[in-house]
Amino acid sequence: AQSVTQLDSQVPVFEEAPVELRCNYSSSVSVYLFWYVQYPNQGLQLLLKYTSAATLVKGINGFEAEFKKSETSFHLTKPSAHMSDAAEYFCAVRTGGGADGLTFGKGTHLIIQP
Amino acid sequence: GAVVSQHPSRVICKSGTSVKIECRSLDFQATTMFWYRQFPKQSLMLMATSNEGSKATYEQGVEKDKFLINHASLTLSTLTVTSAHPEDSSFYICSARFGQEETQYFGPGTRLLVL
Repeated sequence: AQSVTQLDSQVPVFEEAPVELRCNYSSSVSVYLFWYVQYPNQGLQLLLKYTSAATLVKGINGFEAEFKKSETSFHLTKPSAHMSDAAEYFCAVRTGGGADGLTFGKGTHLIIQP
Repeated sequence: GAVVSQHPSRVICKSGTSVKIECRSLDFQATTMFWYRQFPKQSLMLMATSNEGSKATYEQGVEKDKFLINHASLTLSTLTVTSAHPEDSSFYICSARFGQEETQYFGPGTRLLVL
């Protein structure tokens, strides 16, 4: 079975400060990893995904994430936060080769302080 | 990116009634659709997976007779909450995937309130 842990339920950062949202996963097989963003009362928008190609993945809105197999991590980062980045962020995992749905972490609420 | 729509976006119903939620892929053929449920301030939990033309596969603990899923075409899946109760109030989100592509495209969600 696979699982995802997002260690921080909320992360406050100042505007223009760097952002790091942590995500660790557990799986006994190869994985695909995703970061999604959810704005209030909306569905999920894909930020980026890791699919066993490059370990450093660049996504939309200036976000990127690095897959580190030895640490079973896939932390999301952005060099400079904007007010518009305030939202809920979900890390998700799907095992390769199957038709399974995604397993989500509990989410991290990113708070941008002026 | 691919677009997935849901209808309605919000529904309020009386306890004991049934509610149908539609999920449509607008610009691609979704061979697989997923239904998730999200309680306030919590993560998404997978309810079921449906492939076009076949029966849905439900996750453990999800009542298949209560949450009826129909995936009759490559662009439409429906979730019917039968005999809804207040504890069924939640945010229901669908997603769709083409073939074996890794990415799931999510709909905007449907907020269900059962009185």
